[in-house]
Amino acid sequence: ETGVTQTPRHLVMGMTNKKSLKCEQHLGHNAMYWYKQSAKKPLELMFVYNFKEQTENNSVPSRFSPECPNSSHLFLHLHTLQPEDSALYLCASSQDVTVTGELFFGEGSRLTVL
Amino acid sequence: GENVEQHPSTLSVQEGDSAVIKCTYSDSASNYFPWYKQELGKGPQLIIDIRSNVGEKKDQRIAVTLNKTAKHFSLHITETQPEDSAVYFCAASNGFQKLVFGTGTRLLVSP
Repeated sequence: ETGVTQTPRHLVMGMTNKKSLKCEQHLGHNAMYWYKQSAKKPLELMFVYNFKEQTENNSVPSRFSPECPNSSHLFLHLHTLQPEDSALYLCASSQDVTVTGELFFGEGSRLTVL
Repeated sequence: GENVEQHPSTLSVQEGDSAVIKCTYSDSASNYFPWYKQELGKGPQLIIDIRSNVGEKKDQRIAVTLNKTAKHFSLHITETQPEDSAVYFCAASNGFQKLVFGTGTRLLVSP
């Protein structure tokens, strides 16, 4: 596989469930990102990891918990979410956060919170 | 912080026409301006970018122009084709990959 792969592609969960989103990149990049995409709003940066270390938490509620075990894998653990958290969650990677350049996005995980 | 505004929100053109999407930014320190295309069911994909030391950049049918004084940049697509139909996002960054995105433009190219 090449590029950035996200699983699952679709997820429906209740407000009391716990679930996780997974992202894997096969590009040899050192930086990974979680973005939230809601209708009619700009892409919102949630978390940034560089060489497995979190470098950015954009005031994201604690019901979203990221995990980056290595430079190729990124998880977003979800618990006690709200209906307004329903959105497309996009993972991206890039060479390094210190160099502005192309972000490579996955196809996203469409989350619906009932 | 940086704020990026994008217009129009929707744009309909006939095949073969040109399309122009405009963005303005607020932070004069921003120096990197990419454009991403998002097709239905896919993630955004970079189509062209420009840095602040350049005023214009072209790649086949697409071009981007940057006016640093006015703090705006534009995407130009010539000879549009139905496969150009997608949502286009502009973004701005002043470094460290902290991109701030616009709200997107849905482009529809009719045959």
